[in-house]
Amino acid sequence: DIVMTQTPLSSPVTLGQPASISCRSSQSLVHSDGNTYLSWLQQRPGQPPRLLIYKISNRFSGVPDRFSGSGAGTDFTLKISRVEAEDVGVYYCMQATQWYTFGQGTKLEIK
Amino acid sequence: QVQLVQSGAEVKKPGASVKVSCKASGYTFTSYDINWVRQATGQGLEWMGWMNPNSGNTGYAQKFQGRVTMTRNTSISTAYMELSSLRSEDTAVYYCARGNPLTPDYWGQGTLVTVSS
Repeated sequence: DIVMTQTPLSSPVTLGQPASISCRSSQSLVHSDGNTYLSWLQQRPGQPPRLLIYKISNRFSGVPDRFSGSGAGTDFTLKISRVEAEDVGVYYCMQATQWYTFGQGTKLEIK
Repeated sequence: QVQLVQSGAEVKKPGASVKVSCKASGYTFTSYDINWVRQATGQGLEWMGWMNPNSGNTGYAQKFQGRVTMTRNTSISTAYMELSSLRSEDTAVYYCARGNPLTPDYWGQGTLVTVSS
């Protein structure tokens, strides 16, 4: 199974400041079809997960442009350019190149 | 708009089975996979398996093979996940999510399943 490892597991951030979350996979996420199925999900308290980013860097419909994704192969990053209060929650990376596996989650909180 | 609406909370005894439904609307049900993911209280997300609503083909995570069954009723655009031989560790919120493909783009609201004697 592909193991997804996120760092940090907790990220206290000041409002208006940037935030960054890393995700590393135990093997390459390049699919046989040439795509890399690495997504980022946000889960606000008491809510279901919500798709933010798919195939490394594509923002899903309605996602603010302060969210961006980057990376390749086994190393990926989610960045929030300026954190807002509504961004509080847990962020998960997820791979679907070989079945589905999730990272442990990173809790974003406001300082 | 795309919506996945799940059935309500369940309380089951150890050893029993539970069947959770996921009703899709706003798109052609048979054109996208349905995945099932669960989350124990305060824990992370755990993928259970997927189903192709068109063919009925399924794929289950090894951890759940032999205990989980995913089915569908295309006439009412509804997917089902049945988990058997329940134990206390199965207490969790169960989510369905549309696969577009290999990208879980829309999620149900979740169904809490509590296993308790």
